[in-house]
Amino acid sequence: DVKVTQSSRYLVKRTGEKVFLECVQDMDHENMFWYRQDPGLGLRLIYFSYDVKMKEKGDIPEGYSVSREKKERFSLILESASTNQTSMYLCASSDNYEQYFGPGTRLTVT
Amino acid sequence: AQKITQTQPGMFVQEKEAVTLDCTYDTSDQSYGLFWYKQPSSGEMIFLIYQGSYDEQNATEGRYSLNFQKARKSANLVISASQLGDSAMYFCAMREWGGGTSYGKLTFGQGTILTVHP
Repeated sequence: DVKVTQSSRYLVKRTGEKVFLECVQDMDHENMFWYRQDPGLGLRLIYFSYDVKMKEKGDIPEGYSVSREKKERFSLILESASTNQTSMYLCASSDNYEQYFGPGTRLTVT
Repeated sequence: AQKITQTQPGMFVQEKEAVTLDCTYDTSDQSYGLFWYKQPSSGEMIFLIYQGSYDEQNATEGRYSLNFQKARKSANLVISASQLGDSAMYFCAMREWGGGTSYGKLTFGQGTILTVHP
């Protein structure tokens, strides 16, 4: 059974903190994605990676960075968390056809 | 410009009835794919159905079918015989190739919340 896991389901951080969201997939997929989901806006792509150490900006990369040191792991980094980054964060991996999603991390920045 | 538009923020349907969730898209690519995902209140995204731009037949998966009208650029999801467990958020999404590899990247619509009444 295919699996994408995310390090936390719920996370509460303070403004200005550095935040790491981890995503791991066990399907040997080359492509991995980070989205944020907000009411009325659907899912918006933050960053994606098509190979180890390769990354590209999505539609809303400002305030975020990513790291992909191993094929199975893709990390999203909030360098200095702000309240407008309170959101649901979804990770996905893809075999160039379907995207497989993790359970999501609901991040609250206070 | 919005590439995927879902104009129904919320829909209600009676159990055992059919319901159509609307999706229109905008692309200049000849080669693209359209997806529908379901997101229950637990948050996970569940793949439902896929339609390729060159597929001549409408896609079907069990109680789900995709009403693909290429000239109108619409890809509506039809759920037949609704069940209480169908209550969820539904997202339409598109993948474009643009002449090169897409890396599996998707563009999503805003979503439609479906509520099934007993």
